[in-house]
Amino acid sequence: AQRVTQPEKLLSVFKGAPVELKCNYSYSGSPELFWYVQYSRQRLQLLLRHISRESIKGFTADLNKGETSFHLKKPFAQEEDSAMYYCAHGSSNTGKLIFGQGTTLQVKP
Amino acid sequence: DTGVSQDPRHKITKRGQNVTFRCDPISEHNRLYWYRQTLGQGPEFLTYFQNEAQLEKSRLLSDRFSAERPKGSFSTLEIQRTEQGDSAMYLCASSLTATDTQYFGPGTRLTVL
Repeated sequence: AQRVTQPEKLLSVFKGAPVELKCNYSYSGSPELFWYVQYSRQRLQLLLRHISRESIKGFTADLNKGETSFHLKKPFAQEEDSAMYYCAHGSSNTGKLIFGQGTTLQVKP
Repeated sequence: DTGVSQDPRHKITKRGQNVTFRCDPISEHNRLYWYRQTLGQGPEFLTYFQNEAQLEKSRLLSDRFSAERPKGSFSTLEIQRTEQGDSAMYLCASSLTATDTQYFGPGTRLTVL
């Protein structure tokens, strides 16, 4: 079965420190991977997807098929990055998303 | 267009009662998805529609759950004979196609007493 694993429930860093949110997936084939973010009192929204290979709000994520990982990185964390982050795998046929458990990122001043 | 909307935002009910939630997707989005999220977990897929056709249902969706999208626009999710285990946030999302971005609604938080 497809599975997305985010091993850390909470990641706490100081402002300006590098951030890496880990995500591993189990899927045979070409994965469609996403990072979604939920800021306090806001709805879940797409942060980035591996196909677009773009950087959003300074975040990047590289698909590593050998390690079946899609870690989210940012070189210098900002306080406004504090949020819940979900890694997700999407089916290209149906579009349904399989989410990880989520990681709370806390950026301290 | 203000995005995906859901109604109600909160629902408190007693065990055994029936509840119905509504989702209004972004206009012209053919795909509509329902997810359920419990505390400390990521959203879990329940079912999805392409236009008015319900194309897949998760095993999480027991016989007490039914979803419709009668005219390919808004959708309803009904839970019959609610149980305490049904307490969760129910999320709706819509997209143009299977590979397009899914836009999520604010969710309906259900509490079953």
